[in-house]
Amino acid sequence: KNEVEQSPQNLTAQEGEFITINCSYSVGISALHWLQQHPGGGIVSLFMLSSGKKKHGRLIATINIQEKHSSLHITASHPRDSAVYICAVRSITSAVSSGSARQLTFGSGTQLTVLP
Amino acid sequence: NAGVMQNPRHLVRRRGQEARLRCSPMKGHSHVYWYRQLPEEGLKFMVYLQKENIIDESGMPKERFSAEFPKEGPSILRIQQVVRGDSAAYFCASSPQSGRNQPQHFGDGTRLSIL
Repeated sequence: KNEVEQSPQNLTAQEGEFITINCSYSVGISALHWLQQHPGGGIVSLFMLSSGKKKHGRLIATINIQEKHSSLHITASHPRDSAVYICAVRSITSAVSSGSARQLTFGSGTQLTVLP
Repeated sequence: NAGVMQNPRHLVRRRGQEARLRCSPMKGHSHVYWYRQLPEEGLKFMVYLQKENIIDESGMPKERFSAEFPKEGPSILRIQQVVRGDSAAYFCASSPQSGRNQPQHFGDGTRLSIL
């Protein structure tokens, strides 16, 4: 079982729909990241959170530490939101160990396609 | 205020050649991470470096791969005697000072193709 599981793997939505992407992890973490990757492009860090909720524009990220679960929501989705969304965690073990202090473990990504 | 700069964006090599991938971190960042994304797979950690030091190379293949982050200049990921299985996108990320929860800023990646 992977340490970080994302669902769904693929998601197609109509423009304007509310979108939710889920991330579950099996280890204690110090932080969770949501990243966006466009086709053939680089990776953009959307959020880093360790508790509660963060909002940036139409994007909202939440995390429940007790349940080891995070969600990324996109309100009023748009075709330009089409991308792969990746969840990544930094485990507590790696955080306290000076050797592997800050490596990330990634989910396999969710391919989002928003149709006009 | 340039972000993380990786070059080249695309690199083609023949089997047996060497590949050098460069990463210039964001200004003021002294921590560099290299990640690899194989075709149809997720990102995997390779190595974490600070200036002149390798902190964690637990994700690096034991042979043919090496990384450095000299006092001056970019971080270099070097792959010797490349094989077809090295074809992947290699991403670099950087973060500022020490501290447990510093965000990582990613570059656009280098797409390595082995003929």
